[in-house]
Amino acid sequence: GAVVSQHPSRVICKSGTSVKIECRSLDFQATTMFWYRQFPKQSLMLMATSNEGSKATYEQGVEKDKFLINHASLTLSTLTVTSAHPEDSSFYICSVPSGGAIYGYTFGSGTRLTVV
Amino acid sequence: DQQVKQNSPSLSVQEGRISILNCDYTNSMFDYFLWYKKYPAEGPTFLISISSIKDKNEDGRFTVFLNKSAKHLSLHIVPSQPGDSAVYFCAARDAGGTSYGKLTFGQGTILTVHP
Repeated sequence: GAVVSQHPSRVICKSGTSVKIECRSLDFQATTMFWYRQFPKQSLMLMATSNEGSKATYEQGVEKDKFLINHASLTLSTLTVTSAHPEDSSFYICSVPSGGAIYGYTFGSGTRLTVV
Repeated sequence: DQQVKQNSPSLSVQEGRISILNCDYTNSMFDYFLWYKKYPAEGPTFLISISSIKDKNEDGRFTVFLNKSAKHLSLHIVPSQPGDSAVYFCAARDAGGTSYGKLTFGQGTILTVHP
């Protein structure tokens, strides 16, 4: 499987500001990456599919103007939470599909976002 | 609509005994099922997967069983160890005609293995 690096691991920001989260595939060229969100004690919810060189595909109910995704290279996808509000506070995780479904998808270590 | 369900929020097991984690699904288009282990504030770690055309896959202490007619799968851990204590997520893949499909996760089951 791939080695995935996600930064920052933790960020606190003020309401109204924007926060950028990076997901890097260190040893695997990823044309596709996935972004998930997890609320406390709940499941991981897929937010969007990041596609290298093209627009991201968002899941129903996810605001594309609020959660901007850029996948400019085969090793980097970014998620920017724009004009953050306290309800955006959550755990955000990226995933790189590598090795096929048999070996599973590799997840980043996640980013804990707290909006105050 | 919860397409993947883990109805047991928690499970407590004695060290050395078997842990059985259950998962149900509703979407017949799922072609692979995966189990992940997760610690707080970390990303999930892949454990084991099974294709929808199989009914069993084994890897060391971990075995996954799939009952396609019942749309049910289970993860068996034997013998259970205290280090297995974590949250376990069941996930299902819908390829949707693409090379890499989307994963749908269950709610997770907190496993606690007591020494």
